Amino acid sequence: NAGVTQTPKFRVLKTGQSMTLLCAQDMNHEYMYWYRQDPGMGLRLIHYSVGEGTTAKGEVPDGYNVSRLKKQNFLLGLESAAPSQTSVYFCASTPRGAPRETQYFGPGTRLLVL
Amino acid sequence: RKEVEQDPGPFNVPEGATVAFNCTYSNSASQSFFWYRQDCRKEPKLLMSVYSSGNEDGRFTAQLNRASQYISLLIRDSKLSDSATYLCVVGLFSGGYNKLIFGAGTRLAVHP
Repeated sequence: NAGVTQTPKFRVLKTGQSMTLLCAQDMNHEYMYWYRQDPGMGLRLIHYSVGEGTTAKGEVPDGYNVSRLKKQNFLLGLESAAPSQTSVYFCASTPRGAPRETQYFGPGTRLLVL
Repeated sequence: RKEVEQDPGPFNVPEGATVAFNCTYSNSASQSFFWYRQDCRKEPKLLMSVYSSGNEDGRFTAQLNRASQYISLLIRDSKLSDSATYLCVVGLFSGGYNKLIFGAGTRLAVHP
């Protein structure tokens, strides 16, 4: 049982490049989330999903898109990366019926946009 | 004003010391309260929930004061392994979904 995994662990992009961050969970959780964490700030929710095929915007969705084609995977896309998107990205999941506050986090993806 | 405010620290304490962290939140509609722990370059992990009646888990005690919109975490008999960043987290229903609002964290460094 791997829990929540994230790919890649670290990436450097040039401004304008695109990339996709992959989050996978093997716990059959319904809810999945993407956060970003910046120095001096708390984690902020980018997008979330309450089930396969559904996604919704969080607090800071601009510049990102997501997809949840399979229950176990939640993809975060950057179509045209900007230096302001340099951050650490965390994915999290929660099972149905559990308090949404009980979130299982992945190990994070460190993204540097030059 | 940040929705959840914490002293960033660092708090440098010797092993065996008692240390307390505080946190304030701005939204009186907040419904649930938590402390998470985050080790350096790792993901956050739930440490404990916080209730108005106060709750204790071993060396850790959490308190909530709804009237003052204030949350605290007390760590007794600090261990080297307690060194981490402690995140104050508030849950509320807003914008159509249950959301968690994270503080920026308070860093604790326990030294021998």
